[in-house]
Amino acid sequence: DTAVSQTPKYLVTQMGNDKSIKCEQNLGHDTMYWYKQDSKKFLKIMFSYNNKELIINETVPNRFSPKSPDKAHLNLHINSLELGDSAVYFCASSQFRGRGGNEQFFGPGTRLTVL
Amino acid sequence: QQQVKQSPQSLIVQKGGISIINCAYENTAFDYFPWYQQFPGKGPALLIAIRPDVSEKKEGRFTISFNKSAKQFSLHIMDSQPGDSATYFCAASKVRTNTGNQFYFGTGTSLTVIP
Repeated sequence: DTAVSQTPKYLVTQMGNDKSIKCEQNLGHDTMYWYKQDSKKFLKIMFSYNNKELIINETVPNRFSPKSPDKAHLNLHINSLELGDSAVYFCASSQFRGRGGNEQFFGPGTRLTVL
Repeated sequence: QQQVKQSPQSLIVQKGGISIINCAYENTAFDYFPWYQQFPGKGPALLIAIRPDVSEKKEGRFTISFNKSAKQFSLHIMDSQPGDSATYFCAASKVRTNTGNQFYFGTGTSLTVIP
């Protein structure tokens, strides 16, 4: 009954490789996000998709490409991995609830280590 | 530019004490202020949130105090327990209808509650 799931949980790879992280949510939400959390625990949004359309695209290298095949999935593909890409990547989802705001539900994270 | 400033970076409190974490924001368009709690190896989870039309919101031992004129808000944890030891993030956003919202997170506060 996991709400937001990510795979893999850990990813260790060499510089220059291409890798993907998958995210799925079973909450029926229409908006999904990718965040990067660095070693100092700072959380920074990378992308936001609403109904499979890109809404937010922060200043992220174009080596990072999100792909949303449907509302329940938002995958992150990273080309030509660099040492500085090492971080924990979180997927999240939300649904507009009027005055209740848009609570974001986070996945468990994927720890990416680039060697 | 850091949209939300959070302090302190770390906090050590005795069991039963009060933990206080402060945040300040610049953008007066923000109208949703959540606090997230993150345990090691887990994704952030919503703890409590407030809209700017109220000055205080309480849920159990957790209280948000909000000062709109000063553009500041704080989290108070009463009767702090060792199980509260985690990293706490404040955030701010402008709630948008049906397109999700971009959260600006503070830099996090690592709370340790000593038994």
